[in-house]
Amino acid sequence: GEDVEQSLFLSVREGDSSVINCTYTDSSSTYLYWYKQEPGAGLQLLTYIFSNMDMKQDQRLTVLLNKKDKHLSLRIADTQTGDSAIYFCAEEVRGFGNEKLTFGTGTRLTIIP
Amino acid sequence: DAMVIQNPRYQVTQFGKPVTLSCSQTLNHNVMYWYQQKSSQAPKLLFHYYDKDFNNEADTPDNFQSRRPNTSFCFLDIRSPGLGDAAMYLCATSREKAGLDGYTFGSGTRLTVV
Repeated sequence: GEDVEQSLFLSVREGDSSVINCTYTDSSSTYLYWYKQEPGAGLQLLTYIFSNMDMKQDQRLTVLLNKKDKHLSLRIADTQTGDSAIYFCAEEVRGFGNEKLTFGTGTRLTIIP
Repeated sequence: DAMVIQNPRYQVTQFGKPVTLSCSQTLNHNVMYWYQQKSSQAPKLLFHYYDKDFNNEADTPDNFQSRRPNTSFCFLDIRSPGLGDAAMYLCATSREKAGLDGYTFGSGTRLTVV
């Protein structure tokens, strides 16, 4: 199956860390991605992790992957008002040579001043 | 800057009146995708072109068609838009596989059907 699930909403105080969680079902995923979507805009690639990695850090962003549990998380340190957006996790699913991305439902991150 | 450009940003069409959305890219990527994103939902892949090869998703309605006349341009044609087709339509490109580069998305076209 190709289900990718996320919590719909997350509220965090400015300056705290945000942790956005995602679960996926396809064990053949090669890459897992986090995208950010601001209101009325397209999707912006934030970071990715290769499926044989456990962790990746990129400035304020930390991605953790638990392949056994098919669980992916995105931690945003020192959350700022500019981080308000919808965050989508996505997995690259291989299908007969045509890779495609399957997206989760998105988590709307709200920053509380 | 190399990018993916979608026009128009907002499109209003009448129920049943054919409409075309356009996407262009300066990245020289081989693959172009069209996603449909309804309100508060995940983007859903409609189809993609790998070079000139068209790949339709099994559950994409026949009402949706696509054309890719050259590497740079890709069009989404909706033959008879219904109210349920109102959505954000996102175009994306990738070099070959998604891989390290991921997909590059355009800003989207928001389609309203009246």
